[in-house]
Amino acid sequence: DGGITQSPKYLFRKEGQNVTLSCEQNLNHDAMYWYRQDPGQGLRLIYYSQIVNDFQKGDIAEGYSVSREKKESFPLTVTSAQKNPTAFYLCASSWSGQGIGYGYTFGSGTRLTVV
Amino acid sequence: AQKITQTQPGMFVQEKEAVTLDCTYDTSDQSYGLFWYKQPSSGEMIFLIYQGSYDEQNATEGRYSLNFQKARKSANLVISASQLGDSAMYFCAMRERKTDSSYKLIFGSGTRLLVRP
Repeated sequence: DGGITQSPKYLFRKEGQNVTLSCEQNLNHDAMYWYRQDPGQGLRLIYYSQIVNDFQKGDIAEGYSVSREKKESFPLTVTSAQKNPTAFYLCASSWSGQGIGYGYTFGSGTRLTVV
Repeated sequence: AQKITQTQPGMFVQEKEAVTLDCTYDTSDQSYGLFWYKQPSSGEMIFLIYQGSYDEQNATEGRYSLNFQKARKSANLVISASQLGDSAMYFCAMRERKTDSSYKLIFGSGTRLLVRP
């Protein structure tokens, strides 16, 4: 079955450490996205990518980095510069282009905690 | 700037009754899409229903319907015959077109629905 796989499900980070969250999709979608969700709040866009080897900052990109070397993969690195990284991270993908009606398919998320 | 507002942080509904979750949006675009997602405690986001700005009829998907009032810029979700499994967070979202011709989905703050037996 097609879908998006995020790993790990839970991740613990020590102060000053970089960690990378994995996101893989087999839906052949062009676009991929990373969102952050804090408790009781909506989703905020971190980074997005429309095509391979290209990505753009979202609303809260500071302290995060991404790469898009393959169509299927869009890993997110939470760097030590991100001062409050404890949150739930969701990866999504969609068809790109002119379609307003293209919804997103989401992964099951990674819960990151700073220890 | 586009914006989504959900004014109900939490809602209760009795099992088998209908419930309406409110959503208002703000955009200057003529072409836009409105979505509702369900997020159970497991965290995954489940797509429920979509309404395009040019769609003349309200969208329906099984027990879910979207009450679209374009002039009022509202897109309320109606869940009929509530079930215990409907207890979850519900997010309204709008797909907007960015200046670089890409599209992104912006979300409201969500409504937590609890279905009582």
